[in-house]
Amino acid sequence: DTGVSQDPRHKITKRGQNVTFRCDPISEHNRLYWYRQTLGQGPEFLTYFQNEAQLEKSRLLSDRFSAERPKGSFSTLEIQRTEQGDSAMYLCASSWDSRRDEQYFGPGTRLTVT
Amino acid sequence: QQPVQSPQAVILREGEDAVINCSSSKALYSVHWYRQKHGEAPVFLMILLKGGEQKGHDKISASFNEKKQQSSLYLTASQLSYSGTYFCGTESPSAGKSTFGDGTTLTVKP
Repeated sequence: DTGVSQDPRHKITKRGQNVTFRCDPISEHNRLYWYRQTLGQGPEFLTYFQNEAQLEKSRLLSDRFSAERPKGSFSTLEIQRTEQGDSAMYLCASSWDSRRDEQYFGPGTRLTVT
Repeated sequence: QQPVQSPQAVILREGEDAVINCSSSKALYSVHWYRQKHGEAPVFLMILLKGGEQKGHDKISASFNEKKQQSSLYLTASQLSYSGTYFCGTESPSAGKSTFGDGTTLTVKP
């Protein structure tokens, strides 16, 4: 197990299209986080899961964003009707079992909406 | 609310020391520190928990003042590999999410 993986690494889409990203966490990790990062900013929290349960979702996240983690393993983040403002790096991170544990980040998916 | 980091940027020569600060307006449960190099994912450095527990990097130290809601990251005898952007992430006692600052860019020159 080499760490958190994300797919795809890059995605270019036209405004209005739907996109889906996948994150595979480190296998023993129960927590999984999604963040969005734009140039010059820190990661911005989107949502997190404890196993398959989605425990918190940012109020900044519009109804166009949805995330799932079926069976508590990999997770998907879907953005519907993409807008140019959605262009960003989408980072996934995982950690063991509690908020006392450090997060391991994946390489990210860079989304460009044209 | 987002923690505030200072300074925004710092340039050092190899072997010099640096301090990066992170300040929150809310009570904190924990502070996390990460380093991100250009085009790469953030990498964990330190986590400091309310009550004094901490874990992380052997060569990097940090402090957490719970009353002042502040944390500082100390980089001593800096190496070229320390260059990157340092982020602090804070968690409040009631929430399980991390809120990150906008980062401090550290450049170490030979």
